[in-house]
Amino acid sequence: DAMVIQNPRYQVTQFGKPVTLSCSQTLNHNVMYWYQQKSSQAPKLLFHYYDKDFNNEADTPDNFQSRRPNTSFCFLDIRSPGLGDAAMYLCAIVGGGASGGQETQYFGPGTRLLVL
Amino acid sequence: AQSVTQPDIHITVSEGASLELRCNYSYGATPYLFWYVQSPGQGLQLLLKYFSGDTLVQGIKGFEAEFKRSQSSFNLRKPSVHWSDAAEYFCAVGPPGKLTFGTGTRLTIIP
Repeated sequence: DAMVIQNPRYQVTQFGKPVTLSCSQTLNHNVMYWYQQKSSQAPKLLFHYYDKDFNNEADTPDNFQSRRPNTSFCFLDIRSPGLGDAAMYLCAIVGGGASGGQETQYFGPGTRLLVL
Repeated sequence: AQSVTQPDIHITVSEGASLELRCNYSYGATPYLFWYVQSPGQGLQLLLKYFSGDTLVQGIKGFEAEFKRSQSSFNLRKPSVHWSDAAEYFCAVGPPGKLTFGTGTRLTIIP
């Protein structure tokens, strides 16, 4: 069963038009992450939440914001998308660790954003 | 600072042939090492991980990887590839949640 769910899988927006991407998790884990992955590049961490504490990476543009209304959901808001923001956006959690198991990062299927 | 190098941007192998994808890392302590696979338009799927213990790690889909501390390497292997293995493969180092990824190796399978 999927642990990290992202909707929509594909999103088309217009230049400058705000867009929101959604992520939910089924495990009630404390920490949720958002990554940006541009074509043929490695994923790049944008920010993460530890519970309600928001942690922004130093080089994440102000154009990117996030909300976490409860443990299960986390949203990525792009206030004014530019052409350079077209990418795959990946949500992730860190799971495992219980019963002696080691924690591992699990990713959702991603939302591919196209900016016209 | 932690870093990962995947020296091969693109590899092509014949179906049924063996595969080795290279990964070299830099990390200040005992590394946490991961291999993820990404099919086109999909998210990252964990293939295997190394935290400690046996340096030969078995993963899903018939993949294995060997941690070699002396070489700072964590190469991924598969004895016989299938057409469905065509994908992008990412090596990563770091504690979960603070991963540093390599730039990936694209694997193409030819009949």
